[in-house]
Amino acid sequence: AQKVTQAQTEISVVEKEDVTLDCVYETRDTTYYLFWYKQPPSGELVFLIRRNSFDEQNEISGRYSWNFQKSTSSFNFTITASQVVDSAVYFCALSEAPRGFRGAQKLVFGQGTRLTINP
Amino acid sequence: DAGVIQSPRHEVTEMGQEVTLRCKPISGHNSLFWYRQTMMRGLELLIYFNNNVPIDDSGMPEDRFSAKMPNASFSTLKIQPSEPRDSAVYFCASRVSGENEQFFGPGTRLTVL
Repeated sequence: AQKVTQAQTEISVVEKEDVTLDCVYETRDTTYYLFWYKQPPSGELVFLIRRNSFDEQNEISGRYSWNFQKSTSSFNFTITASQVVDSAVYFCALSEAPRGFRGAQKLVFGQGTRLTINP
Repeated sequence: DAGVIQSPRHEVTEMGQEVTLRCKPISGHNSLFWYRQTMMRGLELLIYFNNNVPIDDSGMPEDRFSAKMPNASFSTLKIQPSEPRDSAVYFCASRVSGENEQFFGPGTRLTVL
């Protein structure tokens, strides 16, 4: 069975601090995909990043960076120099890639981490 | 380009009533997903379709829930009869087969009194 664990329920930091959101996953599949989504107070789910299980290269996008480590089954997300607009609930998700289907299928979400950036 | 469209955005109904949620996926997307978000259970998949065919409905809570996708541009999720514990935000998402990102609609907030 697939499972995603986001152990940090809530994080509160002061603006400009760096913050890392943890994500640990479980799967028996050798091919899978990992995602991060952001849910701001308005409620929509915004896609941030996708990683496949064969690509362990870390990625940086502006103030956002992601660290994927298969050895520890982790896919952590770091926001550098946080801003108030980063306040949201962040979800890590896992998707299998079964044979016969191209690309990822259903997403299994973690419980989310509520991030509050205080001015 | 229009994203995933869901209607209504908010629905308040009384226990026992039938509720129908609607979703229009992004044009050209051939996979559609229905998720439910609650405080207790978080985000969970209810059902998904590939090319209008239901692939996995194991997340549908019980027989009161049903979903259809009569064509590539429309899907419904129906609850009959509704119960207070069905109160949640229901998200629809779509993607292109062969791609990995699922794009989510704005959600329908359902309140069953």
